[in-house]
Amino acid sequence: QKEVEQNSGPLSVPEGAIASLNCTYSDRVSQSFFWYRQYSGKSPELIMSIYSNGDKEDGRFTAQLNKASQYVSLLIRDSQPSDSATYLCAVNLNAGNNRKLIWGLGTSLAVNP
Amino acid sequence: KAGVTQTPRYLIKTRGQQVTLSCSPISGHRSVSWYQQTPGQGLQFLFEYFSETQRNKGNFPGRFSGRQFSNSRSEMNVSTLELGDSALYLCASSFGDRANEKLFFGSGTQLSVL
Repeated sequence: QKEVEQNSGPLSVPEGAIASLNCTYSDRVSQSFFWYRQYSGKSPELIMSIYSNGDKEDGRFTAQLNKASQYVSLLIRDSQPSDSATYLCAVNLNAGNNRKLIWGLGTSLAVNP
Repeated sequence: KAGVTQTPRYLIKTRGQQVTLSCSPISGHRSVSWYQQTPGQGLQFLFEYFSETQRNKGNFPGRFSGRQFSNSRSEMNVSTLELGDSALYLCASSFGDRANEKLFFGSGTQLSVL
């Protein structure tokens, strides 16, 4: 089992819909979770980070974390064609504050006009 | 502020050769991480340097090495290149090496090994 797993997609949603991206991780001591967006041919950029159970909202983006079930998700409301990209889930496996990021393979999202 | 700069942007090498990639972090950032990205394996962590010291290392063979200079610029070296080393190599910088710090990625170096 991979340490961080994501559905590869492609996930296709119509413009204006909610896109839901999921990520599961294997190590219970993980404390920090990140969502990066990568456009085709570009480098990843951070869009959300979450550290506590529950929801964290930032504009059209909501990250949800459930440590008991070991999953983290990203919701994109009112999806736009410009949201079409690959979304990478990254999990810091160290229990402490030192960085040791493990990445999922990413979910490809296509938002259709 | 200028972003993370990686050079060269593209490289073509043959098996057995060696290659050196360069990364200049954002001014003031002291941490530089290196990643290999391939379609099949995704982003894989190579190593991280902070204030010229290697802090973490991923599961790559010893052919992959790196260093960081006093101005935080970093280089990565791959010796005895293999076909499987063909990948996009990404460098990321952050102010520190704590888990909750945002990583800023460079545009990458696309390495092709023939």
